[in-house]
Amino acid sequence: QMQLQESGPGLVKPSQTLSLTCTVSSGSISSGNFYWSWIRLLPGKGLEWIGYVYSSGSTYYIPSLKSRATVSLDVSKNQFFLKLNFVTAADTAVYYCARGAGRFDPWGQGTLVTVSS
Amino acid sequence: QSVLTQPPSVSGAPGQRITISCTGSSSNIGAGYDVHWYQQLPGTAPKLLIYNNINRPSGVPDRFSASKSGTSASLAISGLQAEDEADYYCQSHDSSLSGYVFGTGTEVTVL
Repeated sequence: QMQLQESGPGLVKPSQTLSLTCTVSSGSISSGNFYWSWIRLLPGKGLEWIGYVYSSGSTYYIPSLKSRATVSLDVSKNQFFLKLNFVTAADTAVYYCARGAGRFDPWGQGTLVTVSS
Repeated sequence: QSVLTQPPSVSGAPGQRITISCTGSSSNIGAGYDVHWYQQLPGTAPKLLIYNNINRPSGVPDRFSASKSGTSASLAISGLQAEDEADYYCQSHDSSLSGYVFGTGTEVTVL
């Protein structure tokens, strides 16, 4: 059964770049024509979908984050990534990676990222 | 951020049936986009519970059912069990926001 696991720094300073990795196991990131998404749980505001990368490398982002977010993948490592530039305290959230676009399954366990100096 | 509205909490006694509403608009559920439901048990990752409005993935008990009508959807849990205590989220697509959107989330408590 496919599993996803997020990793990355738990603390990022304001104005810097948040960088997260999602490692996929028990399945290939390049097979099955899947989309790979990042989603975050903002405190007091709920879940927000950030964007996806397709197995071909094409990407799509929610317009409100398009100028700051980059999602990419490394097929050789079976990983995909999120970079979010110029972070502020409003970007403090639990970040999840998930397979899919439209519906998301499975999800990673999530990783808390706090933006603070 | 959430454009799909859910009740913050729903509770019921073991064995009871409860429902969770998900209210959207003409740019998401009302536009015909599919609705999916997720269950998040305490301390775990969200899990797909219902997909494409009414379908249960393999392994999900038939105590869970869902429906969609107009600009709303709902999730029903019958024969409520203690293990059903979790947060539940609906999710769809929104053409105005040009992306996937989630509900505000509902905490289910088994009394």
